[in-house]
Amino acid sequence: QKEVEQDPGPLSVPEGAIVSLNCTYSNSAFQYFMWYRQYSRKGPELLMYTYSSGNKEDGRFTAQVDKSSKYISLFIRDSQPSDSATYLCAMKVQGAQKLVFGQGTRLTINP
Amino acid sequence: NAGVTQTPKFQVLKTGQSMTLQCAQDMNHNSMYWYRQDPGMGLRLIYYSASEGTTDKGEVPNGYNVSRLNKREFSLRLESAAPSQTSVYFCASRKQGVDYEQYFGPGTRLTVT
Repeated sequence: QKEVEQDPGPLSVPEGAIVSLNCTYSNSAFQYFMWYRQYSRKGPELLMYTYSSGNKEDGRFTAQVDKSSKYISLFIRDSQPSDSATYLCAMKVQGAQKLVFGQGTRLTINP
Repeated sequence: NAGVTQTPKFQVLKTGQSMTLQCAQDMNHNSMYWYRQDPGMGLRLIYYSASEGTTDKGEVPNGYNVSRLNKREFSLRLESAAPSQTSVYFCASRKQGVDYEQYFGPGTRLTVT
């Protein structure tokens, strides 16, 4: 079993919809929870991060961490075609060198 | 400020050939990483370098070697390429003390026939 599991999709929704992306994990030592966005044929870029548990909001994006369930989510409100990308969750133990990535979910927002 | 640069962008090799993927960063970051990305597999860590002069194996190191040439540059070498090494390779770097963010290069698309 992988340390981090993410449904690879693909996920296709109409413009304006609310999108929910999720990851589960097995390592209770993870303290940093990140979402990276990767456009086609580009490198990933950090979208949001959360330290420990709770919610974090940035514009149309909200990241949630539920450590009791070992479950993290990224919500995108009022989705736009420019949000079409692959979204990768990533997690890290504090002080460790390595990030552990999920498989990535390919998202398409249809105009 | 170019960030993380990688060369080449594309490469086709025959089985058994060797090559070196180059990576450089101009952000004065201590840590550098090499990943491969395959469909449905996410990003898998090949090797990393926590600081100049040190390298360590990641999740999938077999068939690869690395060199941390100086603080800026971290190269990945395939000594005898195999079709299973067909992938997209990403280099990344991280600022010391910032746990959550790695900066990625644009990637190298490698095909081994």
